[in-house]
Amino acid sequence: AQTVTQSQPEMSVQEAETVTLSCTYDTSESDYYLFWYKQPPSRQMILVLRQEAYKQQNATENRFSVNFQKAAKSFSLKISDSQLGDAAMYFCAYRIMYRGGTSYGKLTFGQGTILTVHP
Amino acid sequence: DTGVSQDPRHKITKRGQNVTFRCDPISEHNRLYWYRQTLGQGPEFLTYFQNEAQLEKSRLLSDRFSAERPKGSFSTLEIQRTEQGDSAMYLCASSLDRAGSPLHFGNGTRLTVT
Repeated sequence: AQTVTQSQPEMSVQEAETVTLSCTYDTSESDYYLFWYKQPPSRQMILVLRQEAYKQQNATENRFSVNFQKAAKSFSLKISDSQLGDAAMYFCAYRIMYRGGTSYGKLTFGQGTILTVHP
Repeated sequence: DTGVSQDPRHKITKRGQNVTFRCDPISEHNRLYWYRQTLGQGPEFLTYFQNEAQLEKSRLLSDRFSAERPKGSFSTLEIQRTEQGDSAMYLCASSLDRAGSPLHFGNGTRLTVT
């Protein structure tokens, strides 16, 4: 079974500084996707970044970037120039690409990391 | 794009009662998912549909839980004979059926069983 582990229950960062959130996963599959989702307090979950396992290039989106190490099964999220609005719970998630010849839907989430941003 | 809509936002019920939640996905999305999230934890997968077909159901989903998507549009999740352990946020999400298509989540229904 695929598992996703986020070993940091809580992290904090000063505004404008950089923080890295860790994620490791366990899988025997070779084709899969990895995601980072953000869940602000009492608000809905939104996608931050997506990484295809077959791509060596790390995904980036503005101040957010990932460090994807396929051999180590590691997928960390770096937030640069942190802003107060980045405060949220962050979830790492995994999905295999195909099952039974068709694209697979189920997403498996980690336990989450609560990020606090200090002004 | 009106987003994924869930109703109600909050539900308080007494133990033993039945409850039903509704989810309206993004209109062009043919996949619909249900997850359960307890405080401070990651979402746990319950089930998902492609159109009206229920493709996978978690072992966590006891016989008291049933989900339907009769016309391939909105979905309902029913919990029969609720227990205190059912108290959680129930999240609905939808996506296209293309590989890698991200899930778009609703605001969730918070269930409290007293």
